[in-house]
Amino acid sequence: KAGVTQTPRYLIKTRGQQVTLSCSPISGHRSVSWYQQTPGQGLQFLFEYFSETQRNKGNFPGRFSGRQFSNSRSEMNVSTLELGDSALYLCASSLANLRTDTQYFGPGTRLTVL
Amino acid sequence: GENVEQHPSTLSVQEGDSAVIKCTYSDSASNYFPWYKQELGKGPQLIIDIRSNVGEKKDQRIAVTLNKTAKHFSLHITETQPEDSAVYFCAASGHGGSQGNLIFGKGTKLSVKP
Repeated sequence: KAGVTQTPRYLIKTRGQQVTLSCSPISGHRSVSWYQQTPGQGLQFLFEYFSETQRNKGNFPGRFSGRQFSNSRSEMNVSTLELGDSALYLCASSLANLRTDTQYFGPGTRLTVL
Repeated sequence: GENVEQHPSTLSVQEGDSAVIKCTYSDSASNYFPWYKQELGKGPQLIIDIRSNVGEKKDQRIAVTLNKTAKHFSLHITETQPEDSAVYFCAASGHGGSQGNLIFGKGTKLSVKP
């Protein structure tokens, strides 16, 4: 079974631009969570989608948004990029929206904002 | 909300020695505790997990112990090898909301010296 895939793997943007990242979950998984990983802050939860609905949302500004499609693929968008948005963005999928479901991570998208 | 503390932040051992990483959590309702290994340039990979109805779980050289009374759990790696060098994250199940379904520790950078 294929794992979680994320595209693109690397992105370089300039301040003020916007960016869209894509995540394809493991087949059969309906929950997709997004995390921002930085050296200083560790893994910070962005949001979770289940059956095309945002079920949970972390404490990030409204510039960060996402969506999920009927095939469970998910995208996240960051508008008006800031230097501090440079990070590794990770997507994780699980079977359902349960606290005890195992989350499987993709390789991440490395975003650099200049 | 739930809080997960992980110690130590860095750990250096000689090849063949054992390594122990400890985590404590604050929410007594947490009932799922996964451990992830993250190698440079990759996403976190699940290496072992434990649920609250079990006190210990082993998988070859890796073991996890859980003490629900004291609210702490530990990762034990025996006969360490250079390929065990990575960052290890513990996590505890959360309540969703702004923290998401998994609360992560800050990570432990393990270095195994040949």
